[in-house]
Amino acid sequence: GAVVSQHPSRVICKSGTSVKIECRSLDFQATTMFWYRQFPKKSLMLMATSNEGSKATYEQGVEKDKFLINHASLTLSTLTVTSAHPEDSSFYICSARDPQGMNTEAFFGQGTRLTVV
Amino acid sequence: AQSVTQPDIHITVSEGASLELRCNYSYGATPYLFWYVQSPGQGLQLLLKYFSGDTLVQGIKGFEAEFKRSQSSFNLRKPSVHWSDAAEYFCAVGARAGKSTFGDGTTLTVKP
Repeated sequence: GAVVSQHPSRVICKSGTSVKIECRSLDFQATTMFWYRQFPKKSLMLMATSNEGSKATYEQGVEKDKFLINHASLTLSTLTVTSAHPEDSSFYICSARDPQGMNTEAFFGQGTRLTVV
Repeated sequence: AQSVTQPDIHITVSEGASLELRCNYSYGATPYLFWYVQSPGQGLQLLLKYFSGDTLVQGIKGFEAEFKRSQSSFNLRKPSVHWSDAAEYFCAVGARAGKSTFGDGTTLTVKP
């Protein structure tokens, strides 16, 4: 299957700083990527849909000014957590859809564990 | 709106025993259904998927799932569980756009 790479896998940042997470599709061009957040012992919650060359579509209740998403190229989407606070600590996972693929499944990155101290 | 229910929060089975994890979905059209496995601190690995055709789907690691439209179910099965199967399992339903809605997950513990 297609490969999606997420970086970094772990990051610790100080409260009030910003942190950027990258999601790359390595062997296909992804016009659409998705960002999920997973709380401990909880399911994945879709945060936003990232569309190449246009603004991201955020799910209800997700602060777009806090979670900035940029999809500047067909292989890269970034999620920036701005002015991070301890409550932003979580596991963030991206997925990317291969529009040329036979099916509509999305391929997941390995996730980023964010800890805000 | 689409939704997924995994009725079992936690299941414990003995190594070598059979396993069935339940998944029920609600979706307004033909569903695209997935099962994923997640080890602690790791991302998601796709076990199997159903888009159309044969309702019994074979996946990796000896897993299979059966789509039953009349019951809105997509249960995951494995005839003989290995200790390495202990993990979190998520059922998901996806739209054509690739956006997925996940169930709350089932934690599988395997007893020696």
